[in-house]
Amino acid sequence: KQEVTQIPAALSVPEGENLVLNCSFTDSAIYNLQWFRQDPGKGLTSLLLIQSSQREQTSGRLNASLDKSSGRSTLYIAASQPGDSATYLCAVRRPSGTYKYIFGTGTRLKVLA
Amino acid sequence: DAGVIQSPRHEVTEMGQEVTLRCKPISGHDYLFWYRQTMMRGLELLIYFNNNVPIDDSGMPEDRFSAKMPNASFSTLKIQPSEPRDSAVYFCASSVKGDPYFGPGTRLTVT
Repeated sequence: KQEVTQIPAALSVPEGENLVLNCSFTDSAIYNLQWFRQDPGKGLTSLLLIQSSQREQTSGRLNASLDKSSGRSTLYIAASQPGDSATYLCAVRRPSGTYKYIFGTGTRLKVLA
Repeated sequence: DAGVIQSPRHEVTEMGQEVTLRCKPISGHDYLFWYRQTMMRGLELLIYFNNNVPIDDSGMPEDRFSAKMPNASFSTLKIQPSEPRDSAVYFCASSVKGDPYFGPGTRLTVT
């Protein structure tokens, strides 16, 4: 059974710091991995999607990497800003044929001004 | 595009009552997902539809839960009878072949 774990559960950093959020999964047979952002009282917004054949994806100050063999992904946020404060969730999609995503429990990030 | 629309945004009900949550997916999307989020269990997929047909309902917790999609622009998730442990945020999401777009959620409180 696929399990997705995110460490740390919460993180507080001063503005301007570069930071790394971690995601690990137990079954390497995935179709893709996606990072989401969730703001309080709101739904999830997709940040980056990495296909199983890819190693990384970048969007602005965000970079996500994927190491399928070790069951790990990292989300790197450069030059963090208070507006980055949110909960970040990773999710893995099982192999082709199903659209079932398994979500991690998230990392709650607070960037202090 | 208005995005995924969910109603109501907040629902407070008493144990034993019937609860119906509603979702309007993004026009043109052929997949619709219902998720539940709690502090203890995180975000869990309850059921998803493709072209209005239920594909995987293995996440539906028990017979008290039912979901329907009578047409491409509307879906409901019904809980009957409701219990305090059903208190959670319920999200609807829609997509075209994969990447889900989430609605704002319905916060359900069962007292």
